[in-house]
Amino acid sequence: SYELTQPPSVSVSPGQTASITCSGDRLGDKFACWYQQKPGQSPVLLIYQDTKRPSGIPERFSGSNSGNTATLTISGTQAMDEADYYCQAWDSSTVVFGGGTKLTVL
Amino acid sequence: QLQLQESGPGLVKPSETLSLTCTVSGGSISSSSWYWGWIRQPPGKGLEWIGNIYYSGITYYNPSLRSRITISVDTSKNQFSLKLSSVTAADTAVYYCARQTDGSGTYSDYWGQGTLVTVSS
Repeated sequence: SYELTQPPSVSVSPGQTASITCSGDRLGDKFACWYQQKPGQSPVLLIYQDTKRPSGIPERFSGSNSGNTATLTISGTQAMDEADYYCQAWDSSTVVFGGGTKLTVL
Repeated sequence: QLQLQESGPGLVKPSETLSLTCTVSGGSISSSSWYWGWIRQPPGKGLEWIGNIYYSGITYYNPSLRSRITISVDTSKNQFSLKLSSVTAADTAVYYCARQTDGSGTYSDYWGQGTLVTVSS
């Protein structure tokens, strides 16, 4: 079965750029999307089809996908961005999630 | 504004069947191009896709759960449902329903608030 691997945790200082990676075999040949989940809340779609932002998502969130790695980049990270982030892709008619990355803003 | 709401028992006994329903409001479940899915999240852990269904009844299931899952749709009630049989403590999780696109670019753009289901005697 297809697997997506994320680092368990990433730390960033306020105002700096955070990058969260998601690795999978030939992931760049697929579409990746990203979700943000804060404690006690449902996930929120941040990025879809590698680079697209849904309406209402701040421009500081961006995505890329090439080779075996998709990356979520948060520019000018704010304290409110502290959350869990999940990547997701589709393989063989199955939706696959990464294990999640806890972003700490300190 | 599309809204999804999960409902069902919060406590299920081991070996029994977990049954949940998702009610969709603010839009039709029979809209083309959208699938309706279930995702779960054990306490303190990550997201796991369970499966989804198209309004016509076409389903896709997580291979690891396929033998225990049934997802159905009731277009007259604008609802879709999940049944998970032979549950164990490992099935304790927050269960979310969500609207999902079809195909390789799939994503979930609307989510329910989630409902915690505990498997315990």
